[in-house]
Amino acid sequence: QLQLQESGPGLVKPSETLSLTCTVSGGSISSNDHYWGWIRQPPGKGLEWIGNIYYTGTTYYNPSLQSRVTISVDTSKNQFSLKLSSATAADTAVYYCARPDLYSTIDYWGQGTLVTVSS
Amino acid sequence: QSVLTQPPSVSAAPGQKVTISCSGSSSNIGNNYVSWYQQLPGTAPKLLIYENNKRPSGIADRFSGSKSGTSATLGITGLQTGDEADYYCGTWDSSLSVNWVFGGGTKLTVL
Repeated sequence: QLQLQESGPGLVKPSETLSLTCTVSGGSISSNDHYWGWIRQPPGKGLEWIGNIYYTGTTYYNPSLQSRVTISVDTSKNQFSLKLSSATAADTAVYYCARPDLYSTIDYWGQGTLVTVSS
Repeated sequence: QSVLTQPPSVSAAPGQKVTISCSGSSSNIGNNYVSWYQQLPGTAPKLLIYENNKRPSGIADRFSGSKSGTSATLGITGLQTGDEADYYCGTWDSSLSVNWVFGGGTKLTVL
């Protein structure tokens, strides 16, 4: 059974970079049929897609976040990572890593990790 | 403002049926499959319906999905109190670049 687990600091200072890693277990990140993605959910609000990466390194980002987002993949560690620069309080959210396929389905989600941006 | 439009809330009594709509455009729903996600309080979203109307293994047949043109609908029959959750639709959007978009979410209350 595939499992995704987010890890990283739960508290980030304003203007600093928010960094999270997703570790994939129970399957290979080098899948031809899937992307690996990040989605966030501010407290009490809806889901917001951040971006996806293919195991080859090809990325797709939400245009509203593109200038601040970097998603990378490390196939040797079966991990992919998120960096969001110049964090503000508006970036406070539960961050989920997930596995979207090529056809509009996200079939696996991590449990989510709350990141608070505050001094 | 979400790209996909869902009603903020719906409600019905136990045992009844409810539908949740998801409205989009030709750049998203009109040319891509739609999926639906159930988010119980305090938990991660879970895939409920994929490719418009397919159920993953383990999802009860009380849940159904359909798509027509640029709109999609989630149906839930035989409502149970355990169905109280937020429901989200999602799909790809290719209006500017390749993006994934979600609806704003619908809170289901089982009265």
